[in-house]
Amino acid sequence: DQQVKQNSPSLSVQEGRISILNCDYTNSMFDYFLWYKKYPAEGPTFLISISSIKDKNEDGRFTVFLNKSAKHLSLHIVPSQPGDSAVYFCAATDSGTYKYIFGTGTRLKVLA
Amino acid sequence: NAGVTQTPKFRVLKTGQSMTLLCAQDMNHEYMYWYRQDPGMGLRLIHYSVGEGTTAKGEVPDGYNVSRLKKQNFLLGLESAAPSQTSVYFCASSLGTLPEKQYFGPGTRLTVL
Repeated sequence: DQQVKQNSPSLSVQEGRISILNCDYTNSMFDYFLWYKKYPAEGPTFLISISSIKDKNEDGRFTVFLNKSAKHLSLHIVPSQPGDSAVYFCAATDSGTYKYIFGTGTRLKVLA
Repeated sequence: NAGVTQTPKFRVLKTGQSMTLLCAQDMNHEYMYWYRQDPGMGLRLIHYSVGEGTTAKGEVPDGYNVSRLKKQNFLLGLESAAPSQTSVYFCASSLGTLPEKQYFGPGTRLTVL
């Protein structure tokens, strides 16, 4: 049973436009969510996170939105740049545990 | 400051062989984790450690053992490798507060024939 789902395996966006990556979860105990970015042959690197007490968190070009009632979060990248081309993973945890459940990833391609 | 390093980067094993993957971090982090990444599966937690001398099972621990004899090192062992253990293995560490972001190593690509 996949507790964290990223239903879009891939996404292509034109440079300068907005990229929206989506993530759904099923476990209502999750209260902290993270996004990681992964380039080929490298490990994931942390991008941005959000606690369930918030519905939005912003860091430069990256904004994460959380809709708790829908059990849905999204990552917005504005404006998208070719260097953003990577695989993006969302992850969720029940704070106080050590287990982070990862989604299967979305491959973003930003076209120049 | 190297962050999280993993040794080796690549390895090919025959079924039944054993090996140890080494993870080292120089950030004085308390928590360390081993994940495996398989196509279409995301990252799955194998084992983790919340401090020197401690280890615990994650989601998919069968066929693996771990040790954390020193705070900076976390070893993942395969006693008798199976083709199902063909995967990319990532080590991660974090400071020791929950919840928190993790810092990942570059990965080890393991093929078991």
